[in-house]
Amino acid sequence: GQSLEQPSEVTAVEGAIVQINCTYQTSGFYGLSWYQQHDGGAPTFLSYNALDGLEETGRFSSFLSRSDSYGYLLLQELQMKDSASYFCAVRDLPSKIIFGSGTRLSIRP
Amino acid sequence: DAGVTQSPTHLIKTRGQQVTLRCSPKSGHDTVSWYQQALGQGPQFIFQYYEEEERQRGNFPDRFSGHQFPNYSSELNVNALLLGDSALYLCASSPLRTGRQGLFFGSGTQLSVL
Repeated sequence: GQSLEQPSEVTAVEGAIVQINCTYQTSGFYGLSWYQQHDGGAPTFLSYNALDGLEETGRFSSFLSRSDSYGYLLLQELQMKDSASYFCAVRDLPSKIIFGSGTRLSIRP
Repeated sequence: DAGVTQSPTHLIKTRGQQVTLRCSPKSGHDTVSWYQQALGQGPQFIFQYYEEEERQRGNFPDRFSGHQFPNYSSELNVNALLLGDSALYLCASSPLRTGRQGLFFGSGTQLSVL
């Protein structure tokens, strides 16, 4: 079967750093993406890794290790507006992207 | 530049009925994917359309069908509705080789089956 595992909930303090991990088991692999979804909103694309290593986009960074079937999203200088659900997603076929169950990030002042 | 638009935003149906949901992709995008998202869960892939054909399908029964038009817009049809079909239905568009651009999602259609 295919699975993407990520923690269901994470809590962090405003201004701090938080890491959300994702491990995957899929029949194919073309890349790992991360999406953010606020309550009542649509998922929005954050980052994409096709090769091993770290990708940085402002306060957000994403890492991929294909040999470990593992990736993470790193959020720095947390702001209250970062409170949302975060999904890892794998392109396991050229025409198919599957999503994990999501990590709900709560930020405390 | 209009993003992905979906209609209607909310829909209430009864068991056994049929429903059609509509999606217009972001300008410049030619590929449309449909997802079902239950409350508190991640989006589940239904299928993807490109060049008016279904290119890939997820684990959904034949009651779920779709269509893509020459202008790249798309419809999702669900027949013989079940209570378990109640969910948020999301449309996502992308260029064929999405890569670093990712998927662009619409705000979804909230379907309630009574």
